[in-house]
Amino acid sequence: GAGVSQSPSNKVTEKGKDVELRCDPISGHTALYWYRQSLGQGLEFLIYFQGNSAPDKSGLPSDRFSAERTGGSVSTLTIQRTQQEDSAVYLCASSTNMGDTEAFFGQGTRLTVV
Amino acid sequence: QQQVKQSPQSLIVQKGGISIINCAYENTAFDYFPWYQQFPGKGPALLIAIRPDVSEKKEGRFTISFNKSAKQFSLHIMDSQPGDSATYFCASRGSNYKLTFGKGTLLTVNP
Repeated sequence: GAGVSQSPSNKVTEKGKDVELRCDPISGHTALYWYRQSLGQGLEFLIYFQGNSAPDKSGLPSDRFSAERTGGSVSTLTIQRTQQEDSAVYLCASSTNMGDTEAFFGQGTRLTVV
Repeated sequence: QQQVKQSPQSLIVQKGGISIINCAYENTAFDYFPWYQQFPGKGPALLIAIRPDVSEKKEGRFTISFNKSAKQFSLHIMDSQPGDSATYFCASRGSNYKLTFGKGTLLTVNP
């Protein structure tokens, strides 16, 4: 597809379980972001990948959160031992590293921890 | 910490009125300032953007005003319509092409 694809679109999980959220960025985009958006709130930066550089993990809220990007393309955000406060929409975005950098967002994954 | 501070957090405007959202940044190395619009259930999408070499950019009813000396920029929505009701995010681009977003402004335009 032409846009950023995220899966699943919705995820309900039990407290304490691990979850994996997937992001397929636009082909050729070297930059990839993960954000968290709680209900009615703004964008909370989680992690930023840029090419082969070390990722900027400064936004990850705890060591239960991790992300990887394989082959410079697909990214997976993993949340271990989920807590109710992890419930939010997780947004992925990708962009190029040249020109006027427009970030294209996916539709997000709505995570509900029960 | 490179931050972008956005205000107000929420805004209610009557149809036909002017909506104004403000952002302030800290890093003078930022060189690109976009605004994103988000409708419920959707991801944010680019609305309009400006570079620091101009003080204003207008696209239809949407205008960005940029004050480099004050390190501030704002979005003005003229003749606001109910269809403009959305969440708006400002952003700034850093030297590593990383976009830093403001917390967002929920705009409600009443008919």
